[in-house]
Amino acid sequence: EDQVTQSPEALRLQEGESSSLNCSYTVSGLRGLFWYRQDPGKGPEFLFTLYSAGEEKEKERLKATLTKKESFLHITAPKPEDSATYLCAVLRNTGGFKTIFGAGTRLFVKA
Amino acid sequence: GAGVSQSPSNKVTEKGKDVELRCDPISGHTALYWYRQRLGQGLEFLIYFQGNSAPDKSGLPSDRFSAERTGESVSTLTIQRTQQEDSAVYLCASSLIDGYTFGSGTRLTVV
Repeated sequence: EDQVTQSPEALRLQEGESSSLNCSYTVSGLRGLFWYRQDPGKGPEFLFTLYSAGEEKEKERLKATLTKKESFLHITAPKPEDSATYLCAVLRNTGGFKTIFGAGTRLFVKA
Repeated sequence: GAGVSQSPSNKVTEKGKDVELRCDPISGHTALYWYRQRLGQGLEFLIYFQGNSAPDKSGLPSDRFSAERTGESVSTLTIQRTQQEDSAVYLCASSLIDGYTFGSGTRLTVV
């Protein structure tokens, strides 16, 4: 069964304290892995798509990496405005079009 | 429009009543998705539209749930005889290729 597991559930950082969020996945044929950011009361906001192992994408203080079993979202020198829930999701390349989401990691960055 | 628009933003309904939720996708986006997000949980896939056909309805939880889409435009999600467990945020997303653009959701509360 396709599955996406994110860890930790919650992460508290001081401003400037770099860290990583993990997304482990099991899927029968990966078409793409996605990272989203979700602020309270809003819909998720698209960040990155990764398609193959070894691929990396960067945007400001965020960098996403992908292996055959997991993805990491690295946050360098975070700021309080980076506080949000970060969602990981996978899309299969066969048998349907639904994207399967993880439960998310809630990130809190304190000034 | 510039983004995905959902209405209403909030809906409180009595148990047993029918509700209709609306989604206006980004113009030109052929794919449209409905997801459900219960409090503190991840996104649960409901249904996917390509144009006005629905190749994947596998996530609809029961026959009380139905959805339709007019061409490559507006979609409505209808929940009949609402139950308290239907209370959640219902999110709509549209996409052209990969990577979704989400609306802000409809928060449904069944009392």
